[in-house]
Amino acid sequence: DARVTQTPRHKVTEMGQEVTMRCQPILGHNTVFWYRQTMMQGLELLAYFRNRAPLDDSGMPKDRFSAEMPDATLATLKIQPSEPRDSAVYFCASGLVLGSEGPPEAFFGQGTRLTVV
Amino acid sequence: QKEVEQNSGPLSVPEGAIASLNCTYSDRVSQSFFWYRQYSGKSPELIMSIYSNGDKEDGRFTAQLNKASQYVSLLIRDSQPSDSATYLCASRRGTGRRALTFGSGTRLQVQP
Repeated sequence: DARVTQTPRHKVTEMGQEVTMRCQPILGHNTVFWYRQTMMQGLELLAYFRNRAPLDDSGMPKDRFSAEMPDATLATLKIQPSEPRDSAVYFCASGLVLGSEGPPEAFFGQGTRLTVV
Repeated sequence: QKEVEQNSGPLSVPEGAIASLNCTYSDRVSQSFFWYRQYSGKSPELIMSIYSNGDKEDGRFTAQLNKASQYVSLLIRDSQPSDSATYLCASRRGTGRRALTFGSGTRLQVQP
């Protein structure tokens, strides 16, 4: 059963704490996306990796957010320090791109529901 | 103007009817379009993709694309209560660094 796995599924933390969210993309996929979903803004792209290299992180607040892919089976999204406005569902998605074609269809993980109090 | 626009709904249709969901996009460079279904509290699930002008059918679903009008639609025939969800339209450029851009979604309610 190929699927994107995200941990943790839920996280409640206090303002100012560091939060790390993890994602295991579908085996063989070479593209990873991080999206944030809120009622007000909908799905917003935070970061986009291909072959572990960041291609687009323009949607990510650089002062507190960071995204990395230490290896092909793990992507991380870190918030330090966290703020109440970061409360949202964070989705990781993966896809497969061959050659020079553009971004693929995205297959989503179950998300991490983050609450910052 | 948002890059991908959808009516938030809710769109309410009776069971067995055709549900028509619409989406417009502003970036003429967009070449590929996707419809995702998202149940409440769940993650988006890809249900259709369309790349060329015209219609594409898959079971009860038909996606329609009109690049000249910058318009994408999703028709759901014989709507079922289990189709009740939020439907997200997404676009992507053919090349380059941009990822999928999503609309805010249309909530569909199918009344039994």
